[in-house]
This record gives sequence, C-alpha cells and structure tokens, in this order.
Amino acid sequence: ETGVTQTPRHLVMGMTNKKSLKCEQHLGHNAMYWYKQSAKKPLELMFVYNFKEQTENNSVPSRFSPECPNSSHLFLHLHTLQPEDSALYLCASSQAQGGYTFGSGTRLTVV
Amino acid sequence: AQSVTQPDIHITVSEGASLELRCNYSYGATPYLFWYVQSPGQGLQLLLKYFSGDTLVQGIKGFEAEFKRSQSSFNLRKPSVHWSDAAEYFCAVRGYSTLTFGKGTMLLVSP
Repeated sequence: ETGVTQTPRHLVMGMTNKKSLKCEQHLGHNAMYWYKQSAKKPLELMFVYNFKEQTENNSVPSRFSPECPNSSHLFLHLHTLQPEDSALYLCASSQAQGGYTFGSGTRLTVV
Repeated sequence: AQSVTQPDIHITVSEGASLELRCNYSYGATPYLFWYVQSPGQGLQLLLKYFSGDTLVQGIKGFEAEFKRSQSSFNLRKPSVHWSDAAEYFCAVRGYSTLTFGKGTMLLVSP
C-alpha cells in the first residue's frame, strides 16, 4: 500500500453507462491528480487539484468530470465514454514540491 | 515548458549485469528530478529523487542516479540487475507546478 487507494481496481462499462472512480489519500497531501495511461502513449495529466480547487484541466473532454470534496478524496465521474477511453487511470497526491505518490490505478474498459 | 526524454524504449539486460537507463530533461532552472518504476497493471512507485545537494542519489532496491547539470541528464543505474527488476521505468521532472514524465523505458531481464 502506498497511502493512495483507488477503487475499483477494474471496471468494465458500456458507452451509455455512468460510473465513478474514487481516490483516497491520508498522507496529509494538499494536491491530487488524475492521470490517464494508454498503451504505447506517455502518461497524460488530466486534472490537478490544490487545496480542493481545480488548478489544471488539460483539455479533457467533458465526458470526464472530476470532483474533489476535500483534500483527501478525489473522484472521476464518467459518462457516455468511448472505446478509446479504455486505459489505466491513475490517481496521485503530493505535498508542496515533493514527488507524487501514486495509487495502483483503475483499469477501465469501455465496451 | 519542461520536458523529459528517455531515448530507449526497450532495454534487455542479463541477470547480474549492470544497468544504466538514460534520461535527459529540459527545464530553465534547477529541476526536481525523479525516477519511478511501474510493474504490469500497477501504479508508479518512486525509486529516488533529486532536489539539491549531492548529485549522486541513492534510492530503493539498490538503484542510484546521478544528476549532471552540464549534460541535462539524470541517468538511473544499478550494479547488478535481478529478474524482479523487469518493469517499466519513468523519469520525471517537476518545475513550478506539475510533474512531467518521459515516455518510459521497458526493462527486460534475460536469464
């Protein structure tokens, strides 16, 4: 365990479904991140939250909707996804200028 | 903007042999540098980091890396590779805000 917990570990959803990914950290970090990792592509930063406020959105389609109710929890709400959205979604947290601590990821398959 | 280049997509090393994974970065000021390792289906685990001071940093699992400002490099080394080191390795640089990752180097270990 790294201190960052992601659930579920695996998710299969249809293109018309709505689902949510959850990330939780109890490391006292003040920043949280969503990354997308697709096969043969570099890690893509999706969203950044600092002290619960979204500070970065890297042109992510609106079918991905993040939510950060407090500095320990981060969600990624998914709706009407496309097959190309199938990927490993990684959550991370950090404190100040330190390195990131990653969760184990959610393997998402869109059918 | 900051960037990271890992020139080797795949590297194969015999078990017991030494290892060096290359990383070059681009950043205007003194960077914060990191190496992460990712096993299949898992999140990223921090191996080591450089913030300042001694340019040779020691990490977990017997890894070390050397920061060379003149070459804008932060190469990862291990004197004797074990089969369990087979994984994907990511170099990353942190500037003002977020972490930027290289595309990764896949390490294969042969018997």
